[in-house]
Amino acid sequence: KQEVTQIPAALSVPEGENLVLNCSFTDSAIYNLQWFRQDPGKGLTSLLLIQSSQREQTSGRLNASLDKSSGRSTLYIAASQPGDSATYLCAVRDTGFQKLVFGTGTRLLVSP
Amino acid sequence: SAVISQKPSRDICQRGTSLTIQCQVDSQVTMMFWYRQQPGQSLTLIATANQGSEATYESGFVIDKFPISRPNLTFSTLTVSNMSPEDSSIYLCSVAPGQGLEKLFFGSGTQLSVL
Repeated sequence: KQEVTQIPAALSVPEGENLVLNCSFTDSAIYNLQWFRQDPGKGLTSLLLIQSSQREQTSGRLNASLDKSSGRSTLYIAASQPGDSATYLCAVRDTGFQKLVFGTGTRLLVSP
Repeated sequence: SAVISQKPSRDICQRGTSLTIQCQVDSQVTMMFWYRQQPGQSLTLIATANQGSEATYESGFVIDKFPISRPNLTFSTLTVSNMSPEDSSIYLCSVAPGQGLEKLFFGSGTQLSVL
């Protein structure tokens, strides 16, 4: 059974810092991995999708990497801003049941 | 991409009553998903709803408690029946345009509190 863990559970940084959020999964037989952002009172916004054959994806200040063999993904946020404050979730779709399994999230607070 | 309208955005309900949540998509999609997010926890898939067939429920979720309708390719409803305080959660609908294995798009969620 696929399990997804995110570390740290919460992170507080001053504006301008570069930061890394971690996601680990137990079964490396994945189809893809997706990073989401969740704002209070709102749904989830898809940030980046990495296919199992890819090593990384970039969008603006965000860069997500994938090391399938070690069961890890990282989300790198450059030059953080207060508007980046949200909960970040990673989700893995495995090749077996093809369901999306979510991690527990990292709650990020960027202070001005 | 897909734009999803979900309502109500929040509700406070009495124990024993039922609430129906609506999800409207701006384009036709084959697969729609309903998730639950309990306080402080991550998302758990309740069921997958395909148009023209019965919804497929995940382990721990049953149709009598969470009946789902999918009358067409742009609309679905989830009913939370005979509610108890343990049903207090955020409920989210989601769609996957295409073959259902790529990006998921989510509605804004329904914050449900049961007294």
